Amino acid sequence: SQTIHQWPATLVQPVGSPLSLECTVEGTSNPNLYWYRQAAGRGLQLLFYSVGIGQISSEVPQNLSASRPQDRQFILSSKKLLLSDSGFYLCAWSVGRGLFFGSGTQLSVL
Amino acid sequence: AQSVTQPDIHITVSEGASLELRCNYSYGATPYLFWYVQSPGQGLQLLLKYFSGDTLVQGIKGFEAEFKRSQSSFNLRKPSVHWSDAAEYFCAVVTGNQFYFGTGTSLTVIP
Repeated sequence: SQTIHQWPATLVQPVGSPLSLECTVEGTSNPNLYWYRQAAGRGLQLLFYSVGIGQISSEVPQNLSASRPQDRQFILSSKKLLLSDSGFYLCAWSVGRGLFFGSGTQLSVL
Repeated sequence: AQSVTQPDIHITVSEGASLELRCNYSYGATPYLFWYVQSPGQGLQLLLKYFSGDTLVQGIKGFEAEFKRSQSSFNLRKPSVHWSDAAEYFCAVVTGNQFYFGTGTSLTVIP
């Protein structure tokens, strides 16, 4: 069966520090991969999605970037975090119809 | 452009009462529709989905949803709510590779 791993679960980072969140999927090949952000009390905002290795589509211009170095690995990065980057980050995957989420990373930028 | 609207930001129901969460979508073709549930600090769990066929779909945890093309709606229902159903609920529509989510409805269940 397919599983998705996302880490870390929580992260507290100072403003201006770098960021790296990692997501891996097991049990499937060539999934579409997604990064969403959820601000407190708000809905999901699609940040990036990828349909294959090295293929990244950005939905919202911002302080973040994404990379897909391997088929089932998706990384969210920032060179310098801003206060506004705080939020709950969710990785997700899909093959065909259906979107399946990781357990999320709560990022607090102080 | 595709969009999903969940008109109710917050709903409170008594345990044992029936529940209906509203979802309206805007999409030119036949949509693929989903309902997800999110507990605090957790990822989203798929409750049910509609692709085609029978417009009444059954999901996990006793939930069901009905697709009504004429009303562009996909409302989520449960006959009898349990305290453990308290959570955030999201409706979503997918087109191509992209999933569009509503802003969510927060459900509070009172004893």
